[in-house]
Amino acid sequence: EDQVTQSPEALRLQEGESSSLNCSYTVSGLRGLFWYRQDPGKGPEFLFTLYSAGEEKEKERLKATLTKKESFLHITAPKPEDSATYLCAVLLANAGGTSYGKLTFGQGTILTVHP
Amino acid sequence: DTEVTQTPKHLVMGMTNKKSLKCEQHMGHRAMYWYKQKAKKPPELMFVYSYEKLSINESVPSRFSPECPNSSLLNLHLHALQPEDSALYLCASSQDLGDGNEQFFGPGTRLTVL
Repeated sequence: EDQVTQSPEALRLQEGESSSLNCSYTVSGLRGLFWYRQDPGKGPEFLFTLYSAGEEKEKERLKATLTKKESFLHITAPKPEDSATYLCAVLLANAGGTSYGKLTFGQGTILTVHP
Repeated sequence: DTEVTQTPKHLVMGMTNKKSLKCEQHMGHRAMYWYKQKAKKPPELMFVYSYEKLSINESVPSRFSPECPNSSLLNLHLHALQPEDSALYLCASSQDLGDGNEQFFGPGTRLTVL
């Protein structure tokens, strides 16, 4: 069964305290892994797409990496405005081996950054 | 421009009402999606449209009826809903159903069923 697991469920950091969020997956055919940020009551905001093991993407204080079994979202010197829920999602393949558009999300990590 | 718009922002309806949610994108995307998100849970896929044709229905009850009038618009018609249908309804779009195509989400419609 395809599964996406994020850890920790919640993470509290002091401003400037770097850390990492984890997304592990067991899927039969990965056609892309995505990171989103979601603020309360709003839609998810796209951050990164990762497709191949070894791939890395960066944006401001965030860096996403991908291996064959997991992805990490590294947050360097976070600020209070980085507080949000971070969602990992995988795009799965259909029986024919191509994507059919279904994103499966992990449960998310709630990040709180204190000033 | 990576904007997906949704109207209304908030909707309160009774169990006998009929209402519609609307979604629009002008990015030239050919795949559009409806998701349902309950509090403190991740989004769950409901429907996928590809090139204006329904591609996936995730066993959604018939009281939810999607419609894709053209490549920019996506509607979700609601009828005889239950209180447990109260949730944030999210629309998303992507270039198409190809590998690695990121989905861009709208701000959502907060639905309350009384």
